[in-house]
Formats: sequence, structure tokens, C-alpha cells
Amino acid sequence: GAGVSQSPRYKVTKRGQDVTLRCDPISSHATLYWYQQALGQGPEFLTYFNYEAQPDKSGLPSDRFSAERPEGSISTLTIQRTEQRDSAMYRCASSSGTSGRSRQFFGPGTRLTVL
Amino acid sequence: GQQLNQSPQSMFIQEGEDVSMNCTSSSIFNTWLWYKQDPGEGPVLLIALYKAGELTSNGRLTAQFGITRKDSFLNISASIPSDVGIYFCAGITQGGSEKLVFGKGTKLTVNP
Repeated sequence: GAGVSQSPRYKVTKRGQDVTLRCDPISSHATLYWYQQALGQGPEFLTYFNYEAQPDKSGLPSDRFSAERPEGSISTLTIQRTEQRDSAMYRCASSSGTSGRSRQFFGPGTRLTVL
Repeated sequence: GQQLNQSPQSMFIQEGEDVSMNCTSSSIFNTWLWYKQDPGEGPVLLIALYKAGELTSNGRLTAQFGITRKDSFLNISASIPSDVGIYFCAGITQGGSEKLVFGKGTKLTVNP
């Protein structure tokens, strides 16, 4: 596609429910990143994929968070048993490579609210 | 974990004024990036810096990679109303994975 897209744009859920967020990267991009952005903060790294491989998931805050990219394109981020502290903007980015010189293009984000 | 200290947190300026913001860290970075985030949108890359001491311009924007590798600044000259937004610095550390570490952002308001 023309840019990185994410769905849904907004998600409101009750504490304890599971949620799945979707990221559709730029079609030619090998690398996909997930970030969590709290209000008034910068994005914080969660995990990234190089095609379907997941070399680094050190930023996932707990084992309730998991991400997949089974075919090396679309990715999902799942949060199980959501808690109020999970409320944040979740941003996806993609780049053509893993070099630091590969520009990351960000999607519009999914605003998650846990009641 | 690694942190970037970005300042100021917010700025209120008149159209036409110049703006300066900076980021510092206790860690060494081998890449510094400056992003702008508009409401409802994701961050968009403005300038990328890859060498210590590098000074790069993009129109009215100028950014520098500090020689210690622990700081960077962004200047905006002759501000205009569309410069409004949140500016983030971000860095990539030496030898680490390619994850970006972001500052907390500088919120810029430009009064016409």
C-alpha cells in the first residue's frame, strides 16, 4: 500500500479482555516495528520483525503481550487480559531494511483505552 | 534503560521567530533522528544524522550530531504556523538492534 495502515484506529475494551491490533506495512518493506506511546511521551519500542523472524522482543512489558508476523507482511499485536495501564497509542512502523540508515515509516496508530 | 532527555518540553513562539530544541543522553548513539508528529498522525522523519559532528539542513530545519555522540539539536528558522506539532528526537545505539529510543518530545505552538 501507499503507507503503513493500522486497524482499528480506536479500541475501547474492558479490563480483562483480550485485544488484537493489526498493522499493514508498506508492501515492499522487510522490517516491521511495534511501539507503545503513552500520552505526553515518545514512542517506546516493543518488538520488531525482519520478515517473519522476531529478533528482538525485549520491549514487550509482560508475557501478556505477543506479536506475530506469520507470512512476513501483516502483523498483529495481541494483549491478553488487558489492564488499565495498557491504555496507550500503539504504533507500527516499517522500513525496507534493518540498517540504522533504513528510514522507518510510521502508521497512524491504534488508540487503546482499557476501562 | 536508555533514555533521551529532550528539552524544552514545550515552546510558545511568534511566527517568524527561530526555535531551538535539543536532546542529551548518558549513552552513546551512532544515529540521531528528528521526527515531527502532527495530531492524529504518526511521527514523520525530518532529518537523519549518522556521523559525529555532522550538520544537516532540510529547508528551514538544521540539526547537528554532537561530537560526543551523546547529544543533538534541532533548529527551526523563521517559524510558520504549520510548524506546530510535537518534535521528537530519537537515537540508535552502537552495536544494538535497530530499535529507536525516543525523547519525550517538544510541543511547539506558533502564534500567527
